[in-house]
Amino acid sequence: DIQMTQSPSSLSASVGDRLTIICRASQPIYNYLNWFQQKPGKAPNLLIYAASSLQSGVPSRFSGSAYATNFSLTISSLQPEDFATYYCQQTYTYPLTFGGGTTVDIK
Amino acid sequence: EVQLVESGGGLVKPGGSLRLSCAASGFTFTYYNMNWVRQAPGKGLEWVSSISSNGDDRNYADSVRGRFTVSRDNTKNSLFLQLNSLRAEDTGLYYCVRDRDTNMPIFDYWGQGALVTVSS
Repeated sequence: DIQMTQSPSSLSASVGDRLTIICRASQPIYNYLNWFQQKPGKAPNLLIYAASSLQSGVPSRFSGSAYATNFSLTISSLQPEDFATYYCQQTYTYPLTFGGGTTVDIK
Repeated sequence: EVQLVESGGGLVKPGGSLRLSCAASGFTFTYYNMNWVRQAPGKGLEWVSSISSNGDDRNYADSVRGRFTVSRDNTKNSLFLQLNSLRAEDTGLYYCVRDRDTNMPIFDYWGQGALVTVSS
């Protein structure tokens, strides 16, 4: 199975900060990588698909990039509504696997 | 508006069974692959199962293979998950999820989830 290692597992940040979350795949997955945001008590919400494509309706401060088996999600200027947990997911092969999640809270 | 509404969750004893349903609306259900994803209390996301648009192809996580069965009824715009031989570690919120791309799974719509609790 492909393991997805997310880092950090949690971080504290302030409104206006730029932050980056990293996801590493245990083997090549090309651009088969999606990012989700989940707020407490809510279902996950798709942010980025195919490593770097912005889902319709998602603010442009979110972006994704890829280099080999390393993927990143960047929020250019953190907003109050961005405090949440973020997950990466590989969809290159079954079983589909998620990263362990990164919780972003208020500093 | 795309809607996915899960039902059928509940409290069941270890070794018991449950059948989850997901009612889909707002899109042409028969065109889309569908998935189940679960989340244990306070934990991360775990993909459980997928089924192709016509029901011919099915995939399962190792943790549920042989115990869970995914199915669908395209005439009723419904997705199902039969859970047998349930264990405590199957406890969690089960989400019904649409996959909008046949070549590269993209989970674009999620239901609100059905809660399954396995406890004696």
